[in-house]
Amino acid sequence: GENVEQHPSTLSVQEGDSAVIKCTYSDSASNYFPWYKQELGKRPQLIIDIRSNVGEKKDQRIAVTLNKTAKHFSLHITETQPEDSAVYFCAASTGGSNYKLTFGKGTLLTVNP
Amino acid sequence: NAGVTQTPKFQVLKTGQSMTLQCAQDMNHNSMYWYRQDPGMGLRLIYYSASEGTTDKGEVPNGYNVSRLNKREFSLRLESAAPSQTSVYFCASGQGSHSNQPQHFGDGTRLSIL
Repeated sequence: GENVEQHPSTLSVQEGDSAVIKCTYSDSASNYFPWYKQELGKRPQLIIDIRSNVGEKKDQRIAVTLNKTAKHFSLHITETQPEDSAVYFCAASTGGSNYKLTFGKGTLLTVNP
Repeated sequence: NAGVTQTPKFQVLKTGQSMTLQCAQDMNHNSMYWYRQDPGMGLRLIYYSASEGTTDKGEVPNGYNVSRLNKREFSLRLESAAPSQTSVYFCASGQGSHSNQPQHFGDGTRLSIL
């Protein structure tokens, strides 16, 4: 089955700096890659996703890049703010009739004021 | 529009007791999922239902059973709770079924087994 590795497990940045979280996946058939943000004690919430037919997607301060050849994808957050502090999860899916996601273990991002 | 609703929010059980976690969604989604979240382990899939009337095992199904009662509801049952099942349980739903669409999560059930 699919295996998703996520790095780093913790990341601390100063407010205004950029943050990058990287994930690799094992199944070359994977074609959908969402990113979720989970604040302490809350539910995971989708912040951005990318499909295999594009290499990059942006939404204001966040962007995701995908390299299908190398089987890795990354989340980029620019101009970080204290409210960006949370756990971020990447995931991958091959789609199909039994569509399900495989998640990475998460990255705890701390943005220091 | 409530999205995905889970009950209860908190529960404490004794080893060997049974209980059912309830999940309902009002987004007319085909697929529903149960995950457990443990520190440092991310979200691990317990069971999922790709459509009404079907269920399949995920990564960690041992000790659990599920029922897809109808399109809206998907329950998770612990028949004989064990301390290793202490966790936060999340239910999610998605359009699924050939289309790669996001999954939407409920608020979670925090379960402690003594």
